[in-house]
Amino acid sequence: NAGVTQTPKFRVLKTGQSMTLLCAQDMNHEYMYWYRQDPGMGLRLIHYSVGEGTTAKGEVPDGYNVSRLKKQNFLLGLESAAPSQTSVYFCASSYGGTGTEAFFGQGTRLTVV
Amino acid sequence: QQQVKQSPQSLIVQKGGISIINCAYENTAFDYFPWYQQFPGKGPALLIAIRPDVSEKKEGRFTISFNKSAKQFSLHIMDSQPGDSATYFCAAKLGGYNKLIFGAGTRLAVHP
Repeated sequence: NAGVTQTPKFRVLKTGQSMTLLCAQDMNHEYMYWYRQDPGMGLRLIHYSVGEGTTAKGEVPDGYNVSRLKKQNFLLGLESAAPSQTSVYFCASSYGGTGTEAFFGQGTRLTVV
Repeated sequence: QQQVKQSPQSLIVQKGGISIINCAYENTAFDYFPWYQQFPGKGPALLIAIRPDVSEKKEGRFTISFNKSAKQFSLHIMDSQPGDSATYFCAAKLGGYNKLIFGAGTRLAVHP
């Protein structure tokens, strides 16, 4: 059981470049989330999805777009990367409902120069 | 109102001691309060969680104390071990949206 898999694990982008981070889960979870982790700021929710074909904004959505075309995949896109988007990105998934555990991927370390 | 405030930012404890991390929240719509543990280079993993209708939950050396009226909850790690050295995040879940809001994290170092 792979759980939640994120690709790539590391990436360096130049300012203005675009990229897509892929998250895949094999647990048949309805809910998927993208967080960014910055020192001293914890994990902040970027976007999330409550099911295939749905997306919603989290706490810090600006500069990011997402898509959930298949239940098992949740894509995070950066159309025009900025140095402020240098961060570690985590994807998570859960069944949903009160008391259900969120399972996290290993993270993607993104540096924008 | 969706913030979860966590303290301290870092904590050093001797082996065998008690580690205590505190969190506070404002939004009474939160209905689930988990704690996550994160080791360097890894994603966070669920450690222990509590619902607001319970005042305390214990799992092994880890205990959550929950004070609904004060809107505060805390993690106690008894008999702290070097292997407990990690970053700990408290979180609160908004039931209707299933969104987890995290605290800023506490870096715990347990010295032998």
